Amino acid sequence: EVQLLESGGGLVQPGGSLRLSCVASGFTFSDHVMNWVRQAPGKGLEWVSLIYGRAQAGHYIDPVKGRFTISRDNSKNTLFLQMNNLRAEDTAVYYCARCPSIDSCHGFRGDYWGQGALVTVSS
Amino acid sequence: QSVLTQPPSVSAAPGQKVTISCSGSISNVGREFVSWYQHLPGTAPKLIIYDNNKRPSGIPDRFSGSKSGTSATLGITGLQTGDEAAYYCGTWDHSLNAGVFGGGTKLTVL
Repeated sequence: EVQLLESGGGLVQPGGSLRLSCVASGFTFSDHVMNWVRQAPGKGLEWVSLIYGRAQAGHYIDPVKGRFTISRDNSKNTLFLQMNNLRAEDTAVYYCARCPSIDSCHGFRGDYWGQGALVTVSS
Repeated sequence: QSVLTQPPSVSAAPGQKVTISCSGSISNVGREFVSWYQHLPGTAPKLIIYDNNKRPSGIPDRFSGSKSGTSATLGITGLQTGDEAAYYCGTWDHSLNAGVFGGGTKLTVL
C-alpha cells in the first residue's frame, strides 16, 4: 500500500525556518517525481515545488524561489522541503504528492497524497 | 487569482448531474493533460480524473472528464450527498514552468 507521511510542521516566527519531511512507503520511491502542494486557510490548493526521481534540480513557484529548497534522499525514501525566511503568507497545510513516473507529472497527475503538515508563521 | 478558472460553487439535487468547468490557456490546458481532484476538509486530496478523461481504479463511472482546446470539464452524474466536496482541476504550465490549479469549486448536493 502506498503511503506518504509528512512531518516537521509547527509554529514559527516570521523570518524563521522549518524543514518538512515526507516519508514514503509501498513503492519504489526513486522511480517517481515528488511534489509539495499547500493550502492556506480558506484558500485553494497551490503547487509549491517539484523534484524529479533522480533528484535533479527542482521547480518552484515564484513566491518561494530563493527561500525554499526541495530535496530527496532516495536511500531513505524521504522527501524534504527546507523553508527559510518564512512569511505569514506561507501559513498553510503542506502536502507531499507523488507523480506517476520518474521524469514527468503528465500535466499534474498527483496519484497519491499525504495527510498534510500544518505550518503556521506568526509572531 | 488562480491560473486556471473554475466556478466557485455548483449545486444540484441528489440523483442529478453537474458539470464543473476549468478554463486555461495554450500554455497549460491547451498543451497538457488535465487532472481533477476531490478534496474534503482535513483529508488528503484524491485523484478522480487523470489524462483528461481517465479514472483511477476505484473511482466510479459517475465521474467523467473531457477537454477541448483550452478548457476542461468534470461531470458527475447520479449525485450523492457523499460527493459534497471541493473539486480542483490541475495541470502543468509551460510558460510558468510550474504546476497550476484552479481556484476550486465547492459542490453542494441539496
